[in-house]
Amino acid sequence: DQQVKQNSPSLSVQEGRISILNCDYTNSMFDYFLWYKKYPAEGPTFLISISSIKDKNEDGRFTVFLNKSAKHLSLHIVPSQPGDSAVYFCASTSMNTGFQKLVFGTGTRLLVSP
Amino acid sequence: EAGVTQFPSHSVIEKGQTVTLRCDPISGHDNLYWYRRVMGKEIKFLLHFVKESKQDESGMPNNRFLAERTGGTYSTLKVQPAELEDSGVYFCASSQDPWAAEQFFGPGTRLTVL
Repeated sequence: DQQVKQNSPSLSVQEGRISILNCDYTNSMFDYFLWYKKYPAEGPTFLISISSIKDKNEDGRFTVFLNKSAKHLSLHIVPSQPGDSAVYFCASTSMNTGFQKLVFGTGTRLLVSP
Repeated sequence: EAGVTQFPSHSVIEKGQTVTLRCDPISGHDNLYWYRRVMGKEIKFLLHFVKESKQDESGMPNNRFLAERTGGTYSTLKVQPAELEDSGVYFCASSQDPWAAEQFFGPGTRLTVL
């Protein structure tokens, strides 16, 4: 029973355009959310996070939006670059577990073409 | 600063054999985690060490899996006897701050059970 869902297995975007990756969660106890980026043959790398007390967090070209009522978050990449091509994982956790146990989605493969 | 390292990078074994995976966390990180990704699905939590103690092993699939972290430094994950469904990529992660959700991942060990 998946608690974190990424319903789009892949996304193709042209360089310079916006990439929007979506994530839904079902567990109301989740109160902290992270996005990880993964290149082939490498481990996931932390990208950006957001606490449930916020609805937006921005870091350079990356912005994460959180809609708690809809249990939905999204990652916006603007402008997209070919080097952004990777698999993006959404992850959730909660203070109840001391933020120690990450629950991941299945990932979305982003391809940014020149 | 060296990142999380894992050995071996790949392992191919036959059903019924034993395999031991090793993880060296970032120096000084007390928290060490094991995760597994099977067949392109989500990355699933297996267990969490704080120093040499198992804090949470709720994700361990069954008693064929044994994780240890003697001395609170590196960790090993032994699968004995291996079954076909154990195939996947095993990731190790570490963190220092007990209340920081960001975890640093190693490159993973790809295990194939034939």
